[in-house]
Amino acid sequence: EDKVVQSPLSLVVHEGDTVTLNCSYEVTNFRSLLWYKQEKKAPTFLFMLTSSGIEKKSGRLSSILDKKELFSILNITATQTGDSAVYLCAVVDGSARQLTFGSGTQLTVLP
Amino acid sequence: DGGITQSPKYLFRKEGQNVTLSCEQNLNHDAMYWYRQDPGQGLRLIYYSQIVNDFQKGDIAEGYSVSREKKESFPLTVTSAQKNPTAFYLCASRHESSTDTQYFGPGTRLTVL
Repeated sequence: EDKVVQSPLSLVVHEGDTVTLNCSYEVTNFRSLLWYKQEKKAPTFLFMLTSSGIEKKSGRLSSILDKKELFSILNITATQTGDSAVYLCAVVDGSARQLTFGSGTQLTVLP
Repeated sequence: DGGITQSPKYLFRKEGQNVTLSCEQNLNHDAMYWYRQDPGQGLRLIYYSQIVNDFQKGDIAEGYSVSREKKESFPLTVTSAQKNPTAFYLCASRHESSTDTQYFGPGTRLTVL
């Protein structure tokens, strides 16, 4: 059974801080790993990672995958209150192409 | 506007009643998915469909049913057999040939009274 574990479960920081969110996984036939941001309603797509060591970057957000150690990290630099959300990590199984989600990290950025 | 729509946004149901949640997409996506999200938890897959007139059970299909008569539509029925239906329900879709990325609708919050 595929498994995704995210840490920490929750995190409270102040504006301007840098945060690192962790995602470890076990999957039979790894195809890709996805990060989503969820603010109260629909998750919105952030990154899809398929190759180890290649950083994906979008503004203040970046992510990298380590397929040997089976984990990914999501970094957010110079955090803003608008970054407050639940960040979800999911892995895609190569055979069924289904997503298995972790329980998420609740990030709260205080002014 | 292109995207995925779900209705209603909020739904209240009495115990013992069946209820159907709507999911429509105009993205020409082949695959569609239904997830359930409980407080403090990630998303769990209920059903998915990769083509019209075909669908498969996910991890928690008991007490739910779906249909896929049109490419654009994938309604979910929560039956009275579902023991704990109060949850946030999310529909998603994906273009079969191009990507693993699923795009989500705004969700329906179902409360059983």
